[in-house]
Amino acid sequence: DAGVIQSPRHEVTEMGQEVTLRCKPISGHDYLFWYRQTMMRGLELLIYFNNNVPIDDSGMPEDRFSAKMPNASFSTLKIQPSEPRDSAVYFCASSLSLNQPQHFGDGTRLSIL
Amino acid sequence: GQNIDQPTEMTATEGAIVQINCTYQTSGFNGLFWYQQHAGEAPTFLSYNVLDGLEEKGRFSSFLSRSKGYSYLLLKELQMKDSASYLCAVRDGEYGNKLVFGAGTILRVKS
Repeated sequence: DAGVIQSPRHEVTEMGQEVTLRCKPISGHDYLFWYRQTMMRGLELLIYFNNNVPIDDSGMPEDRFSAKMPNASFSTLKIQPSEPRDSAVYFCASSLSLNQPQHFGDGTRLSIL
Repeated sequence: GQNIDQPTEMTATEGAIVQINCTYQTSGFNGLFWYQQHAGEAPTFLSYNVLDGLEEKGRFSSFLSRSKGYSYLLLKELQMKDSASYLCAVRDGEYGNKLVFGAGTILRVKS
């Protein structure tokens, strides 16, 4: 069975550019999560969705970040405009419910120059 | 608020047993997860505890004491491939049941 699929795997872009990260959750999973991981701050939850509806976006750093889930099989995380401090690994994860394990994608390694 | 503490690094010998501790402070505890993360890879699920006691799964076991705000992950018969970061994550009902991750413990297994 396919796991969580993220694209791109790597992204290098200049500050000020728009960045769009994509995620396809495991089929049948009702919950989708976006995380950011850095050496300094570890793994942080940015936002999560239940049945395509955003439930908690309190972890989104600022208005430059936005996330959408137009259907059960696709979500995007957008940064506009991007800044060097946004450089991190961004993971998408999905789960059947909140007390079931989350399955992580391979992540997008984002570098903003 | 929430506070999750794990040792930063540990070193152990191949074939030995190692215990990685996690302490937490949370107002609405609703479960604790352990994840393994190899360098440059995604976290993968190891275990889940919601009730007190020991959960055993092959070479890995996880223990929880809710009254003490304490959990540990026990790895037996260590192998070189067990070298990784081990993340403790707590689900907090006071914060919408979302997972809050500790900083992780980097385990180095030496031969």
